[in-house]
Amino acid sequence: GAVVSQHPSRVICKSGTSVKIECRSLDFQATTMFWYRQFPKQSLMLMATSNEGSKATYEQGVEKDKFLINHASLTLSTLTVTSAHPEDSSFYICSASARGGYSGNTIYFGEGSWLTVV
Amino acid sequence: SQKIEQNSEALNIQEGKTATLTCNYTNYSPAYLQWYRQDPGRGPVFLLLIRENEKEKRKERLKVTFDTTLKQSLFHITASQPADSATYLCALPYSGSARQLTFGSGTQLTVLP
Repeated sequence: GAVVSQHPSRVICKSGTSVKIECRSLDFQATTMFWYRQFPKQSLMLMATSNEGSKATYEQGVEKDKFLINHASLTLSTLTVTSAHPEDSSFYICSASARGGYSGNTIYFGEGSWLTVV
Repeated sequence: SQKIEQNSEALNIQEGKTATLTCNYTNYSPAYLQWYRQDPGRGPVFLLLIRENEKEKRKERLKVTFDTTLKQSLFHITASQPADSATYLCALPYSGSARQLTFGSGTQLTVLP
């Protein structure tokens, strides 16, 4: 079946530095990718929607200059957390939507990336 | 946007019994509703999708119902097994049939041997 891969699965960075998380669709072309954040014991919250070749659409309250999203190809989207702070520590999950098909049943999630800012 | 409530934060049942999880939503009626399984430290795994014109959907030991009048979905796991222990999330599109999803807070199911 379709696979979405995230890398790294875990990362620790120092406060003030930037960290990049990659999301790849391994066996299908993803016209749209979604980035979610999940704090412990809470549900997933959508951060942004990225469409291949265009600027990402950010949800209300998400700083676009802090969470840089690039979707340069149909198989790769990246999320860069800039000037990271300890409160950015969270579980970041991407999902990808394939071309065509009913929009509701072609969404695949990655395994997530744990970010710890120290 | 939708507001989603999942019945209890945690549910413990005995192996072999049927687990029933509830998802209630407010506001508009979505074109579809999805259920996911999430294990600790892992991304969600898609289980089932049910469309607004479907009353019930089955997949192996899983059954989902969708009552658009009550604005409620029920998720059943029959003949439950300890391996079914996980957090189960329901998700609805932000609006209509959008691909952006709003997730419930989840119900943590524990199946006791």
